[in-house]
Amino acid sequence: QKEVEQNSGPLSVPEGAIASLNCTYSDRVSQSFFWYRQYSGKSPELIMSIYSNGDKEDGRFTAQLNKASQYVSLLIRDSQPSDSATYLCAVNVQGAQKLVFGQGTRLTINP
Amino acid sequence: GAVVSQHPSWVICKSGTSVKIECRSLDFQATTMFWYRQFPKQSLMLMATSNEGSKATYEQGVEKDKFLINHASLTLSTLTVTSAHPEDSSFYICSASPRGGTSPLHFGNGTRLTVT
Repeated sequence: QKEVEQNSGPLSVPEGAIASLNCTYSDRVSQSFFWYRQYSGKSPELIMSIYSNGDKEDGRFTAQLNKASQYVSLLIRDSQPSDSATYLCAVNVQGAQKLVFGQGTRLTINP
Repeated sequence: GAVVSQHPSWVICKSGTSVKIECRSLDFQATTMFWYRQFPKQSLMLMATSNEGSKATYEQGVEKDKFLINHASLTLSTLTVTSAHPEDSSFYICSASPRGGTSPLHFGNGTRLTVT
């Protein structure tokens, strides 16, 4: 089992709808979880970080964490064409500073 | 804040030559920096952890003699790809965190390496 798993997509969502991106992880004691957005040919940029169970909202973005189910998700409300990108889930590995990334989900917002 | 600068943004070199990539933290000190590699349509794979003033820690399967890492100051880490081959062509990205620990990483803009 991979340490961090995401559905590679592609995920197509109509403009204005909610995009839902999911991620599962295998290390039960992971404490830090991040969502990055990566446009083609560019490096990742941090969208959200979440450290405790529940929801965390920032503008149109909501991260949800469920440590019991080892599941973290990202919701994008009122999706815009500019949200079209690959979204990477990253999880901190126990006892280390490094992040392990999922394979990314390619999201396309259709006008 | 938390700006990471990477240079060059792209480089083309001939097979057998060496290429140096620089990663700088512009507005914070980074005792630890990370080097990732990303092949087309794949995710980021951690190559090594660069530790200021000491040897880098390499991930399994990464040749330390091929990918030389130097972290001589708190704001600069370099990755040298020695005797590059076409299969080394990839997107190399460095990252660092202002506070270390479990805080989020900030990435440089990446270096697109093409070996001909």
